[in-house]
Amino acid sequence: SYELTQPPSVSVSPGQTARITCSGDALPKQYAYWYQQKPGQAPVLVIYKDSERPSGIPERFSGSSSGTTVTLTISGVQAEDEADYYCQSADSSGALVFGGGTKLTVL
Amino acid sequence: QVQLVESGGGLVKPGGSLRLSCAASGFTFSDYYMSWIRQAPGKGLEWVSYISSSGSTIYYADSVKGRFTISRDNAKNSLYLQMNSLRAEDTAVYYCARDSYDSSGYYDGMDVWGQGTTVTVSS
Repeated sequence: SYELTQPPSVSVSPGQTARITCSGDALPKQYAYWYQQKPGQAPVLVIYKDSERPSGIPERFSGSSSGTTVTLTISGVQAEDEADYYCQSADSSGALVFGGGTKLTVL
Repeated sequence: QVQLVESGGGLVKPGGSLRLSCAASGFTFSDYYMSWIRQAPGKGLEWVSYISSSGSTIYYADSVKGRFTISRDNAKNSLYLQMNSLRAEDTAVYYCARDSYDSSGYYDGMDVWGQGTTVTVSS
């Protein structure tokens, strides 16, 4: 079955830039989406179609794509950005898939 | 306001059945695809199933295919997940989410989520 691979954890200091990657063979052909989940809360969509930002999401969140890897970038990380981040895409059959998640720690 | 509220979770024995519901409000439910996603304790998100706006197109994750059935009642603004032959590994918080598409039909992601309902499968 199709898999999306994320690093388990990323740590940054406040004000620095955090980059979270997601790798998958179908990513050159399928868009990626990113969700933020804080403890005890439902996920929130922060990036769609690789690099689009929903209304209400701070400009410090951005996304990019290169080949089989997509990247979520958080510029000027704030303490409130500490959360789990999941990438999501689709396989060739149309089934959806999530990456394993990355825990972002703000030091 | 746009809202999704799940219900129907609980404790069930292995092999048992449970039906989850998701009540939608604040938007035209019949215009949207809908998904179920689950999260086992301390684990990541796992997509379970989605259904098209009319109910004519349905997909399942391999892990639930043949055991779970997704359905919807657009007149009642409700989404359902019938879960049969439940296993311990089905223990999770189950979320419903709205699948958004742009005017050209391209997927825009899951833009609205409920708060989830907990399913525990244990003897």
